[in-house]
Amino acid sequence: KAGVTQTPRYLIKTRGQQVTLSCSPISGHRSVSWYQQTPGQGLQFLFEYFSETQRNKGNFPGRFSGRQFSNSRSEMNVSTLELGDSALYLCASSSRTGPLLNEQYFGPGTRLTVT
Amino acid sequence: TQLLEQSPQFLSIQEGENLTVYCNSSSVFSSLQWYRQEPGEGPVLLVTVVTGGEVKKLKRLTFQFGDARKDSSLHITAAQPGDTGLYLCAGIGSFQKLVFGTGTRLLVSP
Repeated sequence: KAGVTQTPRYLIKTRGQQVTLSCSPISGHRSVSWYQQTPGQGLQFLFEYFSETQRNKGNFPGRFSGRQFSNSRSEMNVSTLELGDSALYLCASSSRTGPLLNEQYFGPGTRLTVT
Repeated sequence: TQLLEQSPQFLSIQEGENLTVYCNSSSVFSSLQWYRQEPGEGPVLLVTVVTGGEVKKLKRLTFQFGDARKDSSLHITAAQPGDTGLYLCAGIGSFQKLVFGTGTRLLVSP
C-alpha cells in the first residue's frame, strides 16, 4: 500500500505571495490532517478534513486554509506569506471515521522557505 | 492551552548506553503517543499508551504512562545508531486534537 505523498517536497517563495501544498492520503483513508513544524514552535496542528469537510481546526490565522476533494486528496493554502511561515508542513492521513482519533500516518512533508 | 514539555532537548550518547526521555504536562490526556522522526521524513508512530500506569515494551524501548495520565517516559536500553532521531510525545487533547511535545533529539554514536 502506498504511503502518504506530498508535493512539492521543497518550495521557495517570497513574502506576500501565496502557496498551495498538496497531499494524497493512503488509499481508503478519508481523514487528512495538516501540521506545521518549526524549530521554535515544534509540531502544531493546523486542521483536519474528513469527507470534504473541515472537522477540526488549530489556532492559526485565517491566512491558512485548506480543502479536501471527493477522492480524499487535500490541499492547504497560505496567503500573504510571512517570513515566519517558513516551516515543514506535514500531512497525515488516518482511517478515522468516528469521533476518536486513531493512528495517523505522516507524509514526508513539504519544506517551505519564505524569503 | 495544553502543553507537553520534553526533557532533555538533546542527548548525545555512545552505542550501548541506556537513556530515558521524559514528557511532562500539567494537563490530563486521554492517551499519549510516542513518535520517532528521521531527517527528511514525517513522524512514525511507535506506541500509544491509554491507561494510567500502563507500561508497553517494543524490543529495547519501554514506554510508561503516568498514573495521573499527565506524564510519560521512554526508556531505551543498549542504544544503537539506528535509534538516532527526533523523539516526540503527543497527547490526545481537547476535541481529539494531537498536542505534540517539544521533542528530544537523540544522537547515538558507534
